[in-house]
Amino acid sequence: NAGVTQTPKFRILKIGQSMTLQCAQDMNHNYMYWYRQDPGMGLKLIYYSVGAGITDKGEVPNGYNVSRSTTEDFPLRLELAAPSQTSVYFCASSPGQGRQPQHFGDGTRLSIL
Amino acid sequence: RKEVEQDPGPFNVPEGATVAFNCTYSNSASQSFFWYRQDCRKEPKLLMSVYSSGNEDGRFTAQLNRASQYISLLIRDSKLSDSATYLCVVNPYSGYSTLTFGKGTMLLVSP
Repeated sequence: NAGVTQTPKFRILKIGQSMTLQCAQDMNHNYMYWYRQDPGMGLKLIYYSVGAGITDKGEVPNGYNVSRSTTEDFPLRLELAAPSQTSVYFCASSPGQGRQPQHFGDGTRLSIL
Repeated sequence: RKEVEQDPGPFNVPEGATVAFNCTYSNSASQSFFWYRQDCRKEPKLLMSVYSSGNEDGRFTAQLNRASQYISLLIRDSKLSDSATYLCVVNPYSGYSTLTFGKGTMLLVSP
């Protein structure tokens, strides 16, 4: 059971570079989410999607973009990496609305130098 | 008042102890409640849902108090492996698409 798969697990970027964090789930979940977690802090929602073709901003969307062309995949794009985006990024999915629990991938640790 | 508030701890307890955490939430219309566990530098994992009548899963008991707007987690017979951060999670509105995560309470169980 793969669940939610995130790639890469670690990445170091230079300021101004761009990259895409990949997230895929094999549970046929409609809802998918991207969070970031800074050291010693709680989870902050970046973007979420309630189905293919539908995305919406979370609490901290600036500097990020997402797309949802399929049910399975929900990539997160950083266009111009900044040191403030150094964080651990978690992708999650859930079968339905917010009253159902979310299942998390094991994260991408991103450092921007 | 923050949407979800937790005492950050750490709670230091010896093995075998009973420990309890509380979490308060601000929206009285909140519908769903969960406890997640997060190990250091790992992803959050669902520990248990919290039901209105309270529920138990082995050594873990969760309670909901709607009148006072808090949920609690009780851990009995603490194990070293229980050392982690426990996240209180709330769905603030019926039909809302996202969950609100507390910042977590750290538990350290010592031999």
